[in-house]
Amino acid sequence: SQQGEEDPQALSIQEGENATMNCSYKTSINNLQWYRQNSGRGLVHLILIRSNEREKHSGRLRVTLDTSKKSSSLLITASRAADTASYFCAPQDGGSQGNLIFGKGTKLSVKP
Amino acid sequence: KAGVTQTPRYLIKTRGQQVTLSCSPISGHRSVSWYQQTPGQGLQFLFEYFSETQRNKGNFPGRFSGRQFSNSRSEMNVSTLELGDSALYLCASSPYGQGYGYTFGSGTRLTVV
Repeated sequence: SQQGEEDPQALSIQEGENATMNCSYKTSINNLQWYRQNSGRGLVHLILIRSNEREKHSGRLRVTLDTSKKSSSLLITASRAADTASYFCAPQDGGSQGNLIFGKGTKLSVKP
Repeated sequence: KAGVTQTPRYLIKTRGQQVTLSCSPISGHRSVSWYQQTPGQGLQFLFEYFSETQRNKGNFPGRFSGRQFSNSRSEMNVSTLELGDSALYLCASSPYGQGYGYTFGSGTRLTVV
């Protein structure tokens, strides 16, 4: 399995603004997953996008995947203070039967 | 549908002791993974079990071990605890692992003194 690299490491925005986080990876993947972690708690699965998909939506979340650039982005629209959390991407390749390798994540702070 | 349950939530142990953490996955999920999270190292993969077999293993010393039972419940054991083992230990379950999202438990906060 391979590790995704999130960028930026930290992001601070005002409530109502959009937040965009990026993820890059190294080799071809079967799918890529995004997770959120509120301080000191377990991770929450947000979206899984498969390698043959280019875009996926879930509520205020929009994930894109560009396999030619080996990158993905997570867009949170109309951010709320409750979106304050760390966000992680986890690429899954064919060799990873069942484990996810996480990077350092993007720490998002949404100020009211 | 019940989520992933980890017990205990908090634990304080002394250096040199051993500890066992428990994880009950979502009913029907056969893959269970364990992670260690520390401020310095971030989220690190420990191991993954599927149908009672360890399928993947991270880069941790042999003091860290685990097992999975026939009902998919899993335990991880850390022997000869060191101060550096203080961390949040997270368990996650998935129907099959590859190609499916994981549901995480709230974690066990282990403090070694």
